[in-house]
Amino acid sequence: EVQLVESGGGLVQPGGSLRLSCAASGFTFSNWMHWVRQAPGKGLVWVSRINSDGSTTNYADSVKGRFTISRDNAKNTLYLQMNSLRAEDTAVYHCVVYISGWNWGQGTLVTVSS
Amino acid sequence: DIQMTQSPSSLSASVGDRVTISCRASQGISNSLAWFQQKPGKAPKSLIYAASSLQSGVPSKFSGSGSGTDFTLTISSLQPEDFATYYCQQYNTYPLTFGQGTRLEIK
Repeated sequence: EVQLVESGGGLVQPGGSLRLSCAASGFTFSNWMHWVRQAPGKGLVWVSRINSDGSTTNYADSVKGRFTISRDNAKNTLYLQMNSLRAEDTAVYHCVVYISGWNWGQGTLVTVSS
Repeated sequence: DIQMTQSPSSLSASVGDRVTISCRASQGISNSLAWFQQKPGKAPKSLIYAASSLQSGVPSKFSGSGSGTDFTLTISSLQPEDFATYYCQQYNTYPLTFGQGTRLEIK
């Protein structure tokens, strides 16, 4: 069974940084991995993706230059380094993988506020 | 970016009803379309992928159809646990994009 467990969320001031982690299990950690976020009361927005060896990454325009996706295949862990955080980055961040359909983690809440 | 438009935005139905939710893509996406169910405070739950393939463990009361730009999700014999928000998502082209959601409420 695919399991994705996010951690690292919390309250951070505008301009601050945070690193999210996603521990993966139940599948061979060689797939493209994604981050998707959902602001409170809003819809789902794709944030970033990374390929199996980390050589290819893509970002939504809204986070490009501020967020960095990475992975440690030895630890079966996905990361999202978030810098220069803004109030509009406040959201639940989900780790997602496509394996015979989309599989989601439960998410971790990031709140950007002074 | 490909725009995904769901209709209706909200829907009232009764237990036992059959309902259909539509999703239209702004350009062709072949069958690269997924449907999710989300309840308040919970992560999205995958229902359908590849437009019509049922995710493992999802009951057959959920079905999807369509190809190209027009897609539908049908839920038969609504039960109380089915009242939630439903989203479509295209994964044919990056960035991945989602519909705005359809809120299914009890009449």
